[in-house]
Amino acid sequence: EAQLVESGGDLVQPGGSLRLSCAASGFTFSTSWMSWVRQAPGKGLEWVANINEDGSEKYYVDSVKGRLTISRDNAKNSLSLLMNSLRAEDTAVYYCARQHRSSRKVYYMDVWGKGTTVTVSS
Amino acid sequence: DIQMTQSPSSLSASVGDRVTFTCRASQSISNFLNWYQQKSGKAPKLLIYGASNLQGGVPSRFSGSGFGTDFTLTISSLQPEDFATYYCQQSYSTPPYSFGQGTKLEIK
Repeated sequence: EAQLVESGGDLVQPGGSLRLSCAASGFTFSTSWMSWVRQAPGKGLEWVANINEDGSEKYYVDSVKGRLTISRDNAKNSLSLLMNSLRAEDTAVYYCARQHRSSRKVYYMDVWGKGTTVTVSS
Repeated sequence: DIQMTQSPSSLSASVGDRVTFTCRASQSISNFLNWYQQKSGKAPKLLIYGASNLQGGVPSRFSGSGFGTDFTLTISSLQPEDFATYYCQQSYSTPPYSFGQGTKLEIK
């Protein structure tokens, strides 16, 4: 069974840094696009970033560009999100998700972790 | 960037009702539209991908339709476990792959 487990969430001060991790199992990680999605308290889902199979393509939502960096280690079946210059508005549950592509090239997120909580506050 | 707008923001219905959610894109996205269900405190769950394709294991009472800018998700006969928040998401062209703001389905 495909599974994703996030870790690394914590309470951090504004301007601080944090590294989130996502451990994948039960599927071929190295052939999957991967994404991070976040959800602020009481708010909706926000797509944050994604990365292609070998890490050569990365995309970000404008609000995190230059501060958050997505990366992966296919040898360890692991996805990461390095978060720098954190702001209060980055407070959220961060989900790791597999981004699958259908035969007709539609991308969708079909496997999700349970999330890890990041709180940015002094 | 493509903006996704869902309506209504909340909806009250009873078990057995037929309900429809609407999602509109700010530009044409062909059929690159997905629907997710999220229950309180849980991760989202994929229901529909490519506007109308039912994800494996999802009950057949869920269906999706639409093309271009206007899309709908329909539940043919509400069950108690269907009360949740529903999100649409576009995956057209290059990211960002934006979500709608969600529609919360509540028990009447």
